[in-house]
Amino acid sequence: EAGVTQSPTHLIKTRGQQATLRCSPISGHTSVYWYQQALGLGLQFLLWYDEGEERNRGNFPPRFSGRQFPNYSSELNVNALELEDSALYLCASSVRVGEQYFGPGTRLTVT
Amino acid sequence: EDKVVQSPLSLVVHEGDTVTLNCSYEVTNFRSLLWYKQEKKAPTFLFMLTSSGIEKKSGRLSSILDKKELFSILNITATQTGDSAVYLCAGEIQGAQKLVFGQGTRLTINP
Repeated sequence: EAGVTQSPTHLIKTRGQQATLRCSPISGHTSVYWYQQALGLGLQFLLWYDEGEERNRGNFPPRFSGRQFPNYSSELNVNALELEDSALYLCASSVRVGEQYFGPGTRLTVT
Repeated sequence: EDKVVQSPLSLVVHEGDTVTLNCSYEVTNFRSLLWYKQEKKAPTFLFMLTSSGIEKKSGRLSSILDKKELFSILNITATQTGDSAVYLCAGEIQGAQKLVFGQGTRLTINP
């Protein structure tokens, strides 16, 4: 069974630009979650999507947004990038209520 | 504020030793406690604990949850160098599907 996949692996942007990160969940999983892991900090919850709807979001500014497509894949958009947005962005998926399985992450570097 | 605290933050032992990692939590609407192993990027799911006092085992790893005292432990027996990783625990908030992560315990196994 294929796991959660994310693309790209690495992304380098300059301050003020926009970044788009993509995630494909495990087959049969309808929920997708996004987390940020900044250097020296723990994983911070960003967003939860289920059945195409945003169900919950963490304490992040509106610059962080996303969506979930009919095939349950998801996109995370970060607008007006700031240096402190540099981090590993992890996507996870689950059935509606269940353990979350993580993808390999996208390393975003903002210069 | 929801909080998960892990101890120790760092642990160095010799191959063959047994280790115990600790996780205490203060999570509103607590549903479950999850353990993950993070080596490079993707946290790998280990255990999900929902009931107090019931030990879960997988090979040399085992974990138990105490919902009265609000903590969990992860035991690893006969450690191997491949067990070297950061071990993360997370409390799940019911309904919000949000995981609140601890800072992690960096475990190093020396040959």
